[in-house]
Amino acid sequence: EVQVVESGGGLVNPGGSLRLSCGASGFIFGAYAMNWVRQAPGKGLQWVSSISSGGGISIYYADSVKGRFTISRDNTKNSLYLQMTSLRVEDTAVYFCARESRDGFHLDYWGQGTLVTVSS
Amino acid sequence: QSALTQPASVSGSPGQSITISCSGTSSDVGGSKYVSWYQQHPGKAPKLMISDVSKRPSGVSFRFSGSKSGNTASLTISGLQAEDEADYYCSSYASSSTYVFGTGTKVTVL
Repeated sequence: EVQVVESGGGLVNPGGSLRLSCGASGFIFGAYAMNWVRQAPGKGLQWVSSISSGGGISIYYADSVKGRFTISRDNTKNSLYLQMTSLRVEDTAVYFCARESRDGFHLDYWGQGTLVTVSS
Repeated sequence: QSALTQPASVSGSPGQSITISCSGTSSDVGGSKYVSWYQQHPGKAPKLMISDVSKRPSGVSFRFSGSKSGNTASLTISGLQAEDEADYYCSSYASSSTYVFGTGTKVTVL
């Protein structure tokens, strides 16, 4: 069974940093591109970042997080990461880890999310 | 990276059909064959319902169908059921190699 499980969320002060992790199981992690998507409380989905199956070849970010967030992966540990720095109040959201299908650009499996709250 | 435009809410009675629209531009919906739709129940993770404009993943009810015309994509739910009450989001893979989501539509079953 395909599973992705996020962790690392919590309360952080504005300007602070946090590192999210996503553990994957039930599929060959290194064969799939992965994404982070977030959802502010009571709001819609917002794509954050993506990383290709091999890691550094293709990495993309939403304009709102470019220069502050860094996506990475460790295929030996079946894990995806999101390093978040210079956090802002508006970064408060549930962050979802999502697998990108190999037969098209859509997200076929999602985790339950981890909540990041940026507040003083 | 502006969000795609969806109606805030759509409602229907059990057994009826409803359609949710998703309007974008030639840089996303209009120029992409990778339009997808997601269903999200409160407090849950999104679930893929339609991929590549009109493909239904294994396990998704045949009552869900997708289409596209120009810069607007649509999701139709036929034979509306109580379990279909949820939020629905469209998404497009854009020319900038990024994903853009719709504003979301709350479906209410009367």
